[in-house]
Amino acid sequence: EAGVTQSPTHLIKTRGQQATLRCSPISGHTSVYWYQQALGLGLQFLLWYDEGEERNRGNFPPRFSGRQFPNYSSELNVNALELEDSALYLCASSTRPGSSYNSPLHFGNGTRLTVT
Amino acid sequence: DQQVKQNSPSLSVQEGRISILNCDYTNSMFDYFLWYKKYPAEGPTFLISISSIKDKNEDGRFTVFLNKSAKHLSLHIVPSQPGDSAVYFCAASGGYQTGANNLFFGTGTRLTVIP
Repeated sequence: EAGVTQSPTHLIKTRGQQATLRCSPISGHTSVYWYQQALGLGLQFLLWYDEGEERNRGNFPPRFSGRQFPNYSSELNVNALELEDSALYLCASSTRPGSSYNSPLHFGNGTRLTVT
Repeated sequence: DQQVKQNSPSLSVQEGRISILNCDYTNSMFDYFLWYKKYPAEGPTFLISISSIKDKNEDGRFTVFLNKSAKHLSLHIVPSQPGDSAVYFCAASGGYQTGANNLFFGTGTRLTVIP
């Protein structure tokens, strides 16, 4: 079974630009989650998509947005990049929407975004 | 405000000995707890979980203990092996309805098992 795949592995942008990160969930998983791991911090919840809809978002500004496609893959867009957006962005998928009990998150290897 | 805290950023243990990783939480509504392991350049992988109706859950060399009154959980690895060297994240969930989208993670503890 193929795992969660993310692209690109690394992304370097300058302040003010836009970044687009991509994620393909495990086959059969309908929910996709995005997390940010900044240096020295734990994983911070960004966004949750299920069945093409945004179901919940964390405490991040609106310039963090995304979407989920009919094949359940997802994009995370970060507009007007700021230096503090430099972080590892992790995508995760699960089978059951909204439940962590019987369906632990399966994470991709992340995209390392560097803003200069 | 960090609702899940791992106060030890790093831990070194000799091979064959016990590793004990600790985690504290502040929100009494959390009722499901998980541990994830992360190797460099890889995403976190699920290790073990525990529901608040239990105080202990075992899976092979890994045991998680939950002390609800102290809002504390710990992960015991016995015996520790060099392949266990990784960053371990504690995570907590606030109820069935909130699910994985309200999963709060700690900052991680880097475990080094010395051969």
